[in-house]
Amino acid sequence: DAGVTQSPTHLIKTRGQQVTLRCSPISGHKSVSWYQQVLGQGPQFIFQYYEKEERGRGNFPDRFSARQFPNYSSELNVNALLLGDSALYLCASSLGLKQGRNTEAFFGQGTRLTVV
Amino acid sequence: AQKVTQAQTEISVVEKEDVTLDCVYETRDTTYYLFWYKQPPSGELVFLIRRNSFDEQNEISGRYSWNFQKSTSSFNFTITASQVVDSAVYFCALIDTDKLIFGTGTRLQVFP
Repeated sequence: DAGVTQSPTHLIKTRGQQVTLRCSPISGHKSVSWYQQVLGQGPQFIFQYYEKEERGRGNFPDRFSARQFPNYSSELNVNALLLGDSALYLCASSLGLKQGRNTEAFFGQGTRLTVV
Repeated sequence: AQKVTQAQTEISVVEKEDVTLDCVYETRDTTYYLFWYKQPPSGELVFLIRRNSFDEQNEISGRYSWNFQKSTSSFNFTITASQVVDSAVYFCALIDTDKLIFGTGTRLQVFP
C-alpha cells in the first residue's frame, strides 16, 4: 500500500506569490493534518481536516488555508508568501479524528518550500 | 501548558555504543499520549512508539527501549549497540487535543 504522498517535493517561490501544496493520505484514512517544520525546529501544527471539515487550526495567519476533497486528499494554500514561510511542510494522515488515541499519524516526506 | 522539551540538541557516538535520548513533557491532562518519531535526511517522520499515560511499563523493541516515568514526566529513548543507520533527528511528541506537540528534536550522529 502506498504511504502518504506529497507533491511537489521541492518548490522555490518569490515573496508575495501564492503556493499550493498537495497531499494524498493512506487509503482508508479520513483525517489529514498539516505541519510546518522550520529548519532546526520541531513540526508545528497548522490544520487538521476530517471528513472534509476543518477540525483544528494552529496559530498561523489567515494567509494559510486548506481544504479536503471527497477522496480525502488535501491542499494547503499559502498566500502572500514571506521569507519566513520557508520550511518543510509535512502532511500526516490518520484513520480517525482522534489521532493518537486510537490511531497513529503517518507522515509524508514533505514539501520543502523556499521563498526568495 | 502542553510542552515537550528535548534538552539534547545533538549527540555523537561511535557505532556499538548505547545512547539515551531524553524527553521531558508538561501536560494538564490526566490521560495523555506520548510518541517518538525518527526523521532521516529524507524528511519523512517515521513513527517509532506510542505510549499512553496509564501504562508505565517500559517497552523494548529490538535495539530500542523506552523508559516512561510519570513521577519525573519523562519518556526517554535508548538505542542499544547503535548503528550508522540510526543517524537521524529524533522527536518526542505529546498529543494536545487532536494535534501533536513536538519537541525541538535531538540530532543523533553515529560514526563508524
